[in-house]
Amino acid sequence: SQQGEEDPQALSIQEGENATMNCSYKTSINNLQWYRQNSGRGLVHLILIRSNEREKHSGRLRVTLDTSKKSSSLLITASRAADTASYFCATDEDNAGNMLTFGGGTRLMVKP
Amino acid sequence: EAEVAQSPRYKITEKSQAVAFWCDPISGHATLYWYRQILGQGPELLVQFQDESVVDDSQLPKDRFSAERLKGVDSTLKIQPAELGDSAMYLCASSLAVGRGHVGNYGYTFGSGTRLTVV
Repeated sequence: SQQGEEDPQALSIQEGENATMNCSYKTSINNLQWYRQNSGRGLVHLILIRSNEREKHSGRLRVTLDTSKKSSSLLITASRAADTASYFCATDEDNAGNMLTFGGGTRLMVKP
Repeated sequence: EAEVAQSPRYKITEKSQAVAFWCDPISGHATLYWYRQILGQGPELLVQFQDESVVDDSQLPKDRFSAERLKGVDSTLKIQPAELGDSAMYLCASSLAVGRGHVGNYGYTFGSGTRLTVV
């Protein structure tokens, strides 16, 4: 079963624009993670935000977490064509034993 | 940079045949996961190992799927017999995180996956 729901399912933007993806989840979590997947490849870990954190930055990535609303957002600033990929949020639920539950993903296309 | 190795990269098999996938995690990672990803969807956990022990296999279709990690290092996932609905990407991941009751706050490192097509 998938806990996270990403929104939108697909996003198309021009190079240089910002891309925002949202994730909602259902249960109490230890942390929330974002992953990137290029077509036909494995997933790459981008960033982890703990349940007691509200915002985190890594390069052009900014992640927010609102545990009261059970939601997170991933912002990619100044997007590049190479950012074209699928992005997944994954939750490490309380008492789940470090098992990640993934959402359905947002497919991002950045046009040059 | 250390990688999770998976083989084969692609596999085409006829339904009712047996198929096996192999994964070698990053050295020192106690926890190994097998996920299945249907095209257009997110990965879903099949089985989680800590060292050689199964932590969670509640989503593994045990009538046809089996997984082992005999020496607590590399792992094999087997399907016998394969069905058309098993066509998917099979992803292996490893992590420094340990099992239930421990909050490791670690990310996973995924392999490149095995793309299975059952015909």
